[in-house]
Amino acid sequence: DQQVKQNSPSLSVQEGRISILNCDYTNSMFDYFLWYKKYPAEGPTFLISISSIKDKNEDGRFTVFLNKSAKHLSLHIVPSQPGDSAVYFCAASAGNNDMRFGAGTRLTVKP
Amino acid sequence: EPEVTQTPSHQVTQMGQEVILRCVPISNHLYFYWYRQILGQKVEFLVSFYNNEISEKSEIFDDQFSVERPDGSNFTLKIRSTKLEDSAMYFCASRGGGGAKNIQYFGAGTRLSVL
Repeated sequence: DQQVKQNSPSLSVQEGRISILNCDYTNSMFDYFLWYKKYPAEGPTFLISISSIKDKNEDGRFTVFLNKSAKHLSLHIVPSQPGDSAVYFCAASAGNNDMRFGAGTRLTVKP
Repeated sequence: EPEVTQTPSHQVTQMGQEVILRCVPISNHLYFYWYRQILGQKVEFLVSFYNNEISEKSEIFDDQFSVERPDGSNFTLKIRSTKLEDSAMYFCASRGGGGAKNIQYFGAGTRLSVL
């Protein structure tokens, strides 16, 4: 089941710079997209979401962009902080069906 | 803040043994889920549960797996005869009503080690 893909297993950025995490999907029925953050030894925690009727949603330092024609979404974190270092999972759902996750991208923010 | 709790945090078992992983979802939530994450791999959906029955399950959730909500608070995942490849982190999640747009909240997970 590869409906949600995060092709970069890891990303390293300098503190204060922008982090851009990418996600691609194949199921055109997906209409709701989420990003979760996961620290070691903890469960995933919800970060931000976007509905397919929008192309951008912003919450503080976090912005999610959706490009439906490309079936692509991205999470921007600016400015990045060391505490943002975690694994970030993209997830998507279609109608009332439940989420499918990507493989995750490990973000490391260096001081 | 309400949270999903999972016990135990780490379960070690011998191959072929039965294990029960326990979860207490957020109290007013209606939908319950189990996911697993094999070390180094992605989070995989196992099963969703609503109104005292399974609403969706993945190919992973075969006859060795079962779920139960034995009372008003617990949600359990049973693996009847564990295999080495069942070793993984198992996450429970829950969400309220209002369709799949509602956010799922996850527990901290149970690490299952099958020896």
